Amino acid sequence: GAVVSQHPSWVICKSGTSVKIECRSLDFQATTMFWYRQFPKQSLMLMATSNEGSKATYEQGVEKDKFLINHASLTLSTLTVTSAHPEDSSFYICSARDSVGLAGLNEQFFGPGTRLTVL
Amino acid sequence: AQSVAQPEDQVNVAEGNPLTVKCTYSVSGNPYLFWYVQYPNRGLQFLLKYITGDNLVKGSYGFEAEFNKSQTSFHLKKPSALVSDSALYFCAVRDITNRDDKIIFGKGTRLHILP
Repeated sequence: GAVVSQHPSWVICKSGTSVKIECRSLDFQATTMFWYRQFPKQSLMLMATSNEGSKATYEQGVEKDKFLINHASLTLSTLTVTSAHPEDSSFYICSARDSVGLAGLNEQFFGPGTRLTVL
Repeated sequence: AQSVAQPEDQVNVAEGNPLTVKCTYSVSGNPYLFWYVQYPNRGLQFLLKYITGDNLVKGSYGFEAEFNKSQTSFHLKKPSALVSDSALYFCAVRDITNRDDKIIFGKGTRLHILP
């Protein structure tokens, strides 16, 4: 159990286009999901916290109009990179927090990541 | 604000020797602490976590970590390293008493196990 999937696993797009990445919690409900970004040989940087049915909370320095987040259901959050540029090329990892956790721990599980390459 | 420090960019260990990957943290409340491993072009794999209780936590693949509250440390250890342990290791902290309850990662430490 506790599986988080991401789709696609990799995507190549032209500069100026938009790309949507899906994050799904397969066997649990997630009121809260998180989007991280990882540059080559660097750490995971939290981009935003996504709450079901409300607006996402973005970390300082992250452009909310460029990285659109939609958390429309308890099992799905999407990240859309709008008007992508080569500098947006990165590894994007989502994470989902179990809404009904044992002993109130609300465990957090990570997806396998999506590699975005913008040409 | 919570933070995690991994002071070593890279650690080299001979196969069969014990290994330690260092991590220190800073939170205002009680920390939840984690170690994850990442292999090339792959996502994160959970190794172990400390929530409460015994300061010595045992995890996957023979790894363990010791929570030290006075030193605010959570170093990852393994008694005998394997070449297959070579990977990128991340320490992470979650402060559930913080209104912005989220997991923050250290910069990562690349572990090289030399055959």
